[in-house]
Amino acid sequence: AQSVTQLGSHVSVSEGALVLLRCNYSSSVPPYLFWYVQYPNQGLQLLLKYTTGATLVKGINGFEAEFKKSETSFHLTKPSAHMSDAAEYFCAVRRTGGGNKLTFGTGTQLKVEL
Amino acid sequence: KAGVTQTPRYLIKTRGQQVTLSCSPISGHRSVSWYQQTPGQGLQFLFEYFSETQRNKGNFPGRFSGRQFSNSRSEMNVSTLELGDSALYLCASSETRGRSNTGELFFGEGSRLTVL
Repeated sequence: AQSVTQLGSHVSVSEGALVLLRCNYSSSVPPYLFWYVQYPNQGLQLLLKYTTGATLVKGINGFEAEFKKSETSFHLTKPSAHMSDAAEYFCAVRRTGGGNKLTFGTGTQLKVEL
Repeated sequence: KAGVTQTPRYLIKTRGQQVTLSCSPISGHRSVSWYQQTPGQGLQFLFEYFSETQRNKGNFPGRFSGRQFSNSRSEMNVSTLELGDSALYLCASSETRGRSNTGELFFGEGSRLTVL
């Protein structure tokens, strides 16, 4: 079965600092990978996705992620944090041929401090 | 284009009751999935429907059921509610499914169920 591991349930950064949220997946075949963000009392919004092709994926709000097959990782980064980035972030994997079922990581709560 | 709409947004039930949650996908989307989100278990897949047929099912007891109508709208039902069913139930839609589908899921804002 596929799984997703997000290291660090809480991450705190200063405004303007680099954001790095870690995600590792387990899969014998490269899956489709996603990062979603959830603001309080809201649903999930897609930040970016990796399906095939370029391993560096750019998303919305200045976020990007790099798919590294050798490390089975898909870490999310943003060069400069903004207060509005404070939210919970979920890494998710979808198996090719597995329909639309997503397996989510446990989430990372990002706090941005002045 | 309107997003995924879930109703009701909030509801309170007591143990033993049943509940029905509704989801209207984005216009033209034919796949609807349901997820349960709790602080302890995180986001867990419930089931997926496509063309009125259940295509995928998560590891939940039979008290959890769903269906999809010909207009792609979906409902999920939980019978004999337990305290542990308190959660945010999220619906997501996608244009299609299948091996070549690389599309994303679009989520609604969820229905927050509290069981007393």
